Amino acid sequence: RKEVEQDPGPFNVPEGATVAFNCTYSNSASQSFFWYRQDCRKEPKLLMSVYSSGNEDGRFTAQLNRASQYISLLIRDSKLSDSATYLCVVNPGGKLIFGQGTELSVKP
Amino acid sequence: GAVVSQHPSWVICKSGTSVKIECRSLDFQATTMFWYRQFPKQSLMLMATSNEGSKATYEQGVEKDKFLINHASLTLSTLTVTSAHPEDSSFYICSARDYGGTGYGYTFGSGTRLTVV
Repeated sequence: RKEVEQDPGPFNVPEGATVAFNCTYSNSASQSFFWYRQDCRKEPKLLMSVYSSGNEDGRFTAQLNRASQYISLLIRDSKLSDSATYLCVVNPGGKLIFGQGTELSVKP
Repeated sequence: GAVVSQHPSWVICKSGTSVKIECRSLDFQATTMFWYRQFPKQSLMLMATSNEGSKATYEQGVEKDKFLINHASLTLSTLTVTSAHPEDSSFYICSARDYGGTGYGYTFGSGTRLTVV
């Protein structure tokens, strides 16, 4: 079983749509959680950290359920510029473990 | 903010030759450096973790004699792909632990696209 598993993509949505990504992780000792964004042929960039209480950053909302070992990312009012691959990332103890990523394509 | 400079950005080499990739932390001390590899349409796979002044720790399935990692100073870590073969063609990226720079602790280089012909 992979340490971090994500929804398979790609997600093709129209501008303005709401899209949700899901992720599960296997290591219950994981300490911190993140969503990264990766554009084609570029390095991943931190989108947001994920906290148990849930957190929001503008149009982006992240949730963590430690009991279910489940992480989600919700993007509201999607923009063309949101097109990218979204990576669920877990830190089980000092190193970042990446999910395979979910590709998002926002169309006009 | 913290910056990790990775060079080269891309390299094409002949099969059987070696390629060195450098990552430098520009405004902080990178005690720990992580090296990842990413094949097309796949995620970043951790190859190894290096700590300054000590031997790197390799992930299962990664050949330490093929992927030589040197972390001789707090600002420089290198990955050398020895006797490269076409199957080594990939996107290699480093990430440094940054204690106090970015706030969340990990800064990525911009990646090196290696093509072995």
